[in-house]
Amino acid sequence: DIVMTQSPDSLAESLGERATINCKSSQSVLYTSNNKNYLAWYQQKPGQPPKLLIYWASTRESGVPDRFSGSGSGTDFTLTISSLQAEDVAVYYCQQYYSTPYTFGQGTKLEIK
Amino acid sequence: EVQLVESGGGLVQPGRSLRLSCAASGFNFDDFAMHWVRQFPGKGLEWVSGISWNSGNSGYADSVKGRFTISRDNAKNSLYLQMSSLRAADTALYFCVKEASWRYFDLWGRGTLVTVSS
Repeated sequence: DIVMTQSPDSLAESLGERATINCKSSQSVLYTSNNKNYLAWYQQKPGQPPKLLIYWASTRESGVPDRFSGSGSGTDFTLTISSLQAEDVAVYYCQQYYSTPYTFGQGTKLEIK
Repeated sequence: EVQLVESGGGLVQPGRSLRLSCAASGFNFDDFAMHWVRQFPGKGLEWVSGISWNSGNSGYADSVKGRFTISRDNAKNSLYLQMSSLRAADTALYFCVKEASWRYFDLWGRGTLVTVSS
């Protein structure tokens, strides 16, 4: 199984500041035949299901604000929120869909400082 | 409205069975693979099982293989999870999840809670 490890476990930043969450996979999730990274990011607010933010490591889902961006390739990935807003308080998860069992990171809790 | 609505959760004793259902609406259900993902009380997420659009392929996490069975009825726009030999470790919120065209998950239900306890 591919193990997904996020860092940090929790993060507190001020409004308007940049927030960065890292995700590392135990093996590459880059499919060389199409040069795509099978990596997604989800946001989960309290009492709600996870919501897709980013897929293919860097493609924003429709309707997701452009302050959210994803980067990385192979085994190392980053979710960046360029200017933190109050509504971004949530837990963020990365997930690989390269192979089953599809696996998630443990989550990163983002709070406002 | 595009949505997934789960039902069937509840309190069940260890060793017993339970069947979860998911009603889909607002999209062409039979065009997409579907999955069950669970969230443990400590908030970790675990993929449980998935099934292809035509039920031709399915897969399971090792933790549930041989105990859980996924199925779907495209005529009823419904997804199911038959759970047997339930354990305390199966206690979780179970989400019905739609797979986008390329395997990531683009729509989640609100979940149904399964509690396994004597």
